[in-house]
Amino acid sequence: QQQVKQSPQSLIVQKGGISIINCAYENTAFDYFPWYQQFPGKGPALLIAIRPDVSEKKEGRFTISFNKSAKQFSLHIMDSQPGDSATYFCAVSDYNQGGKLIFGQGTELSVKP
Amino acid sequence: DAGVIQSPRHEVTEMGQEVTLRCKPISGHNSLFWYRQTMMRGLELLIYFNNNVPIDDSGMPEDRFSAKMPNASFSTLKIQPSEPRDSAVYFCASSLQSGANVLTFGAGSRLTVL
Repeated sequence: QQQVKQSPQSLIVQKGGISIINCAYENTAFDYFPWYQQFPGKGPALLIAIRPDVSEKKEGRFTISFNKSAKQFSLHIMDSQPGDSATYFCAVSDYNQGGKLIFGQGTELSVKP
Repeated sequence: DAGVIQSPRHEVTEMGQEVTLRCKPISGHNSLFWYRQTMMRGLELLIYFNNNVPIDDSGMPEDRFSAKMPNASFSTLKIQPSEPRDSAVYFCASSLQSGANVLTFGAGSRLTVL
């Protein structure tokens, strides 16, 4: 049973463009929604995260939009750069379940110069 | 801080052999997680520990897999006997406290079982 569905699987964006990755979940008990970034040969690293009491969080060029009623959240990368080329994972977590992270399938982003 | 340290970085073994993967979490972190990454299944949580105690091992695929955390600075994931379908990248991650959700991952151990 897939608890979080991520799309698209892969994404190609021109330098300077906007990259958008979407995730949907089912369990309303989830209370923490992070995005992780992974470069080849490295482990995932926390990029940005949001809790359900806000609808948007922005950190530099990265923004999370959260729609609690639709049980969806998305990552927007503004002014995408070749250095942003990586695999991005959304995740969900339930504090009452020990805070373990359940990850989406990942999106491979390629930003073309 | 050196971060989460995993060894070996690469392991190639033959089917039926025992494999032991090692992890040193960040000092002061009291939760430790083992994940497996494959193309087909993505990042799967295998097991996690809080204060050296296994809390949830529901993701451990079968009895061939076992994990231990004898102290706050060391954990092992053992596969015995290994099978080709175990080929994957195994990640260890640690966090400051269970429920804090901010995981710091190691660089991973890439396992190939022939």
